[in-house]
Amino acid sequence: EAGVVQSPRYKIIEKKQPVAFWCNPISGHNTLYWYRQNLGQGPELLIRYENEEAVDDSQLPKDRFSAERLKGVDSTLKIQPAELGDSAVYLCASSFGTINPKTQYFGPGTRLLVL
Amino acid sequence: AQSVAQPEDQVNVAEGNPLTVKCTYSVSGNPYLFWYVQYPNRGLQFLLKYITGDNLVKGSYGFEAEFNKSQTSFHLKKPSALVSDSALYFCAVRDGSARQLTFGSGTQLTVLP
Repeated sequence: EAGVVQSPRYKIIEKKQPVAFWCNPISGHNTLYWYRQNLGQGPELLIRYENEEAVDDSQLPKDRFSAERLKGVDSTLKIQPAELGDSAVYLCASSFGTINPKTQYFGPGTRLLVL
Repeated sequence: AQSVAQPEDQVNVAEGNPLTVKCTYSVSGNPYLFWYVQYPNRGLQFLLKYITGDNLVKGSYGFEAEFNKSQTSFHLKKPSALVSDSALYFCAVRDGSARQLTFGSGTQLTVLP
């Protein structure tokens, strides 16, 4: 079974430029998560989707970050404009079922460097 | 609010020796506890979780973790370490009402040959 797929794996941009990350969850997983992992820290949740609905986006900086999961499968996370402090690894995870706690399965991440 | 502490940034152990990676937690209700491992340039891989029942949880790659409610701890253990176990280990917790998983800051395990 294929795992969570993310692209690109690495991205270098200049500050104020836009950037987008893409995630394809494990087939059949209805819940999708986007995390940000700063260097030397654990992942922090940005947004969680149940199917196509964003059910927890309280930690998403909405002035510059946006996300979508239009058909309840793939998802994109966008930053516009990027700032130096956005340099981090952006992780996507997915899980299935309705009984908590659900085990989350992570993709390899996108490492973003903002210059 | 829920929180996790991994008191050791770095743990070194000789190959063949037992290893322990420490984790303590704070939640308002019953805890659900997880361990993940992260290899360089890779995402987090699930190792094991505690929901309820037996305090000793067995997981992938020979790892196990012991839930101790009185000490609010969930230490990761392995009887005999391998060089290939060298990686970054994260403990995570959520309680029954929380919507999200809270991760610790990670412990870098190095197994020396």
